[in-house]
Amino acid sequence: DAGVIQSPRHEVTEMGQEVTLRCKPISGHNSLFWYRQTMMRGLELLIYFNNNVPIDDSGMPEDRFSAKMPNASFSTLKIQPSEPRDSAVYFCASRGVGGGRGARYEQYFGPGTRLTVT
Amino acid sequence: DAKTTQPPSMDCAEGRAANLPCNHSTISGNEYVYWYRQIHSQGPQYIIHGLKNNETNEMASLIITEDRKSSTLILPHATLRDTAVYYCIVRVADNYGQNFVFGPGTRLSVLP
Repeated sequence: DAGVIQSPRHEVTEMGQEVTLRCKPISGHNSLFWYRQTMMRGLELLIYFNNNVPIDDSGMPEDRFSAKMPNASFSTLKIQPSEPRDSAVYFCASRGVGGGRGARYEQYFGPGTRLTVT
Repeated sequence: DAKTTQPPSMDCAEGRAANLPCNHSTISGNEYVYWYRQIHSQGPQYIIHGLKNNETNEMASLIITEDRKSSTLILPHATLRDTAVYYCIVRVADNYGQNFVFGPGTRLSVLP
């Protein structure tokens, strides 16, 4: 398996532009997570999906951020309009169905997308 | 979810055991202890998890105290590639899966 795939790996854009980050989870995994990491705030959970349904989006910073999961093999995180403070590394992670509570519930992270908004 | 406390940084000599502590004094009976690490410029990587028994896998060992208020991750023979930030997370499994709250973690530096 290729693992979690994210694209692009690097994105540089100007303030006000729309940015779309993409994620392909590991085949067969039924949960998907979007995280953001900055030096100031560390690693923050933005939103997570279970069986393509958004379960908790309380970490989404504001209405400029939106996430979709149209099917089990694809998710997007969109920022419109982008601002310099959105500059961060955005990680996508997926998780499979485990056996037993807590067993094999580890998340598998993608390589991240480094976003720079100028 | 129970909070965790970890030292901000630690050093370890290459080839020696690295023992990374984590305090979780408010842990409840159905909460698991998870360890992840993040090597520079990469996504976090799962290491190990446990409930109350000590656990061992190919990467590390997890020692959980009898009262479950603290745990120690042990890398038996640290290498330079083990230099990373190590996160201790306590979380209960819910019906929808698990979302993790990553604290600042412990920055482990393995020295030659």
